[in-house]
Amino acid sequence: AQTVTQSQPEMSVQEAETVTLSCTYDTSESNYYLFWYKQPPSRQMILVIRQEAYKQQNATENRFSVNFQKAAKSFSLKISDSQLGDTAMYFCASNSGGYQKVTFGIGTKLQVIP
Amino acid sequence: DVKVTQSSRYLVKRTGEKVFLECVQDMDHENMFWYRQDPGLGLRLIYFSYDVKMKEKGDIPEGYSVSREKKERFSLILESASTNQTSMYLCASRGSRGGWNTQYFGPGTRLTVL
Repeated sequence: AQTVTQSQPEMSVQEAETVTLSCTYDTSESNYYLFWYKQPPSRQMILVIRQEAYKQQNATENRFSVNFQKAAKSFSLKISDSQLGDTAMYFCASNSGGYQKVTFGIGTKLQVIP
Repeated sequence: DVKVTQSSRYLVKRTGEKVFLECVQDMDHENMFWYRQDPGLGLRLIYFSYDVKMKEKGDIPEGYSVSREKKERFSLILESASTNQTSMYLCASRGSRGGWNTQYFGPGTRLTVL
């Protein structure tokens, strides 16, 4: 069974600053994928960034990057130059290979302060 | 753009009523999912379907059933609604390339059972 843990229920950051959201996971699979999803207030959940476990290089998408520490089973999300539109719930998620089920963490509510 | 739509944004029902939540996707995705989202619990998988007429239980299937008669449509049924089923319900779809594929989410249905 997979588990995903997000230990920061709420965070805040000043506009233009950098913030890091933590996520740890546990899986017995050797091949798996990790995701960060964003759910803005009253809007649909969308993918922010994803990482394949067998790739050493950390994924980046514009201002979003991850710090993937496979041995520690850690997958944190760094948001640089935070913008007001980054205010949202952020969910860390994982799934294994071709298996259809995705396991989500409980989410971190991020508030960007002007 | 992938579009996942849900039949209602807000729904209020009485205890004991039969409730249908509809989800439609327009990307010919094989896989569709129903989650419920509760504060402090994140997203929990209720059921998923990997093909027409095929379904599998997720983590919390009790009190729910599903139907997938057409590829684009996945319905969640509450046979006899109870107050503990008051929640946000999210539908998602995903293509068949396995674990790498992102899930695309609908806007959610906030169900209140009185």
